[in-house]
Amino acid sequence: DTAVSQTPKYLVTQMGNDKSIKCEQNLGHDTMYWYKQDSKKFLKIMFSYNNKELIINETVPNRFSPKSPDKAHLNLHINSLELGDSAVYFCASSRSSYEQYFGPGTRLTVT
Amino acid sequence: GQQLNQSPQSMFIQEGEDVSMNCTSSSIFNTWLWYKQDPGEGPVLLIALYKAGELTSNGRLTAQFGITRKDSFLNISASIPSDVGIYFCAGQGNYQLIWGAGTKLIIKP
Repeated sequence: DTAVSQTPKYLVTQMGNDKSIKCEQNLGHDTMYWYKQDSKKFLKIMFSYNNKELIINETVPNRFSPKSPDKAHLNLHINSLELGDSAVYFCASSRSSYEQYFGPGTRLTVT
Repeated sequence: GQQLNQSPQSMFIQEGEDVSMNCTSSSIFNTWLWYKQDPGEGPVLLIALYKAGELTSNGRLTAQFGITRKDSFLNISASIPSDVGIYFCAGQGNYQLIWGAGTKLIIKP
């Protein structure tokens, strides 16, 4: 059984497009996160949601917007994609502020 | 954002060797976590440490929570080819994990 899943695994799109990445967790966790991993493998927290409320919002462009329809899902919507948005995006979940469990990642390539 | 000091940045090792890596911080943490990331996959939790001075093992992996609560160590004994990957440390802050930049483990041919 997949604990944290993301779709799609790969996403290739052109500059200026709008795209979404979906994330679902079946662990019963109450907090979900989005991370961006750049080419140097740095993991940068972008957002987290606890009980459908945003509790962390790092200095990411407002073109990025997380949407959580329920506790098990946290989707990432990106408007007006730019070349610099190319990266691997990871979803993660945790029970409160305890250890986080990661999804397999979505490799986004903007051309 | 804040980042932990993780070293070494990369390691070339022979199969069978023992490996050590560490993370240090200027801040105190109540929890230290160690993750491993394989190519094309997400980070996987290896060991979680909750108490200063704690020493925890997971198979050939052993991690310690530094007594000052500002550092942590991960040791891998008798490395095997599947140990290659990137190892990340993370300290539990107030609302988020603070991450190290990773240690890349490479097996010498």
